Amino acid sequence: DAGVIQSPRHEVTEMGQEVTLRCKPISGHNSLFWYRQTMMRGLELLIYFNNNVPIDDSGMPEDRFSAKMPNASFSTLKIQPSEPRDSAVYFCASSLRGLVGYTFGSGTRLTVV
Amino acid sequence: DAKTTQPNSMESNEEEPVHLPCNHSTISGTDYIHWYRQLPSQGPEYVIHGLTSNVNNRMASLAIAEDRKSSTLILHRATLRDAAVYYCILRDQTGANNLFFGTGTRLTVIP
Repeated sequence: DAGVIQSPRHEVTEMGQEVTLRCKPISGHNSLFWYRQTMMRGLELLIYFNNNVPIDDSGMPEDRFSAKMPNASFSTLKIQPSEPRDSAVYFCASSLRGLVGYTFGSGTRLTVV
Repeated sequence: DAKTTQPNSMESNEEEPVHLPCNHSTISGTDYIHWYRQLPSQGPEYVIHGLTSNVNNRMASLAIAEDRKSSTLILHRATLRDAAVYYCILRDQTGANNLFFGTGTRLTVIP
């Protein structure tokens, strides 16, 4: 099992550009989560999906952020337009509903200049 | 969500046991106690969880106070690879998807 796969590992972009982060959950997992980690705020839950349906997006900071899960094996987190304060490490995690642990990906380090 | 309180940092010598404390005085009867850790430059990883009884697995042991208002994660023999931030998290028994991370304890292992 390759685990949760995120791409890219690093992204540097200019302010105002669109950024798309990608996540492939573990096969068979039916819940998917997007987290953001910064030094100031720690790990924050942005949004999560059950069976490809967004359940709670209350953690999404602004309308500039959007997330989709078109099928069970793929999700995207898009920021448009990006701003320097969006610089952070973005983690995707998946789990099988009813089981205990979440499996996290290695994260995407986003730098907006 | 019920909150947890952990020391910001701890140190341990290599090959010695480490006891990482967590206070959760407002825990409800349906809350499980979960521990995750985050190694440098990696995502968090699940360590262990429990409800009332002490638990052991290949990574660690979890000791839960009788009143459940505190718990301790025990690493029996710390290695350099155990240097990480350890998070204590309460999660409702229903398994609701609300895994919220606090600030955790940064463990430094001294060779």
